[in-house]
Amino acid sequence: AQKITQTQPGMFVQEKEAVTLDCTYDTSDQSYGLFWYKQPSSGEMIFLIYQGSYDEQNATEGRYSLNFQKARKSANLVISASQLGDSAMYFCAMREVVKGGGADGLTFGKGTHLIIQP
Amino acid sequence: DTGVSQDPRHKITKRGQNVTFRCDPISEHNRLYWYRQTLGQGPEFLTYFQNEAQLEKSRLLSDRFSAERPKGSFSTLEIQRTEQGDSAMYLCASSLEGQPYEQYFGPGTRLTVT
Repeated sequence: AQKITQTQPGMFVQEKEAVTLDCTYDTSDQSYGLFWYKQPSSGEMIFLIYQGSYDEQNATEGRYSLNFQKARKSANLVISASQLGDSAMYFCAMREVVKGGGADGLTFGKGTHLIIQP
Repeated sequence: DTGVSQDPRHKITKRGQNVTFRCDPISEHNRLYWYRQTLGQGPEFLTYFQNEAQLEKSRLLSDRFSAERPKGSFSTLEIQRTEQGDSAMYLCASSLEGQPYEQYFGPGTRLTVT
């Protein structure tokens, strides 16, 4: 079963509108972290935002916010006032705490291709 | 530039040849990760190091793959007897131990096996 599900393969959004990118996850761990990365056509993965499973408040970073609904196991990314430069692939990812502690590799979803139209 | 760097950026090789990629992490980061990304997919975790110790390997990392981080700084990923299915982008990332947990990625090495 997929651990990270991104149900929107592609989205077209008008410039200056807000956009929500969906992400649901599956884990039995109590402690985990959720990430969003942006990958422009140049290929580099750019970190956007992080939410820990025990964080009570939704994470925000500038125009990015993470709508964390723990009971629904969803971690949607909201981009306010979209810009042409936001056009890119967006990946949701999860970090699970392995037994004995330490850092596991991230598990990524398949991504959403966001295109901002003028 | 103090970000993660990878070399080479592109590699074309013939099936059966060996290839080696290098990753230089952000200097103060003690954790280093390798991922593979195929077209239309998200990155898939391959392996990770804490300092010079390789602490985890994915089942994706077949016997033909080997990674090293001999002095806890740069890392190399070697693929022996390359196959066409190895064609992908190989991404390296680094992070600090503990919070913050975000991993910072390099530009990747695109491998094409002909």
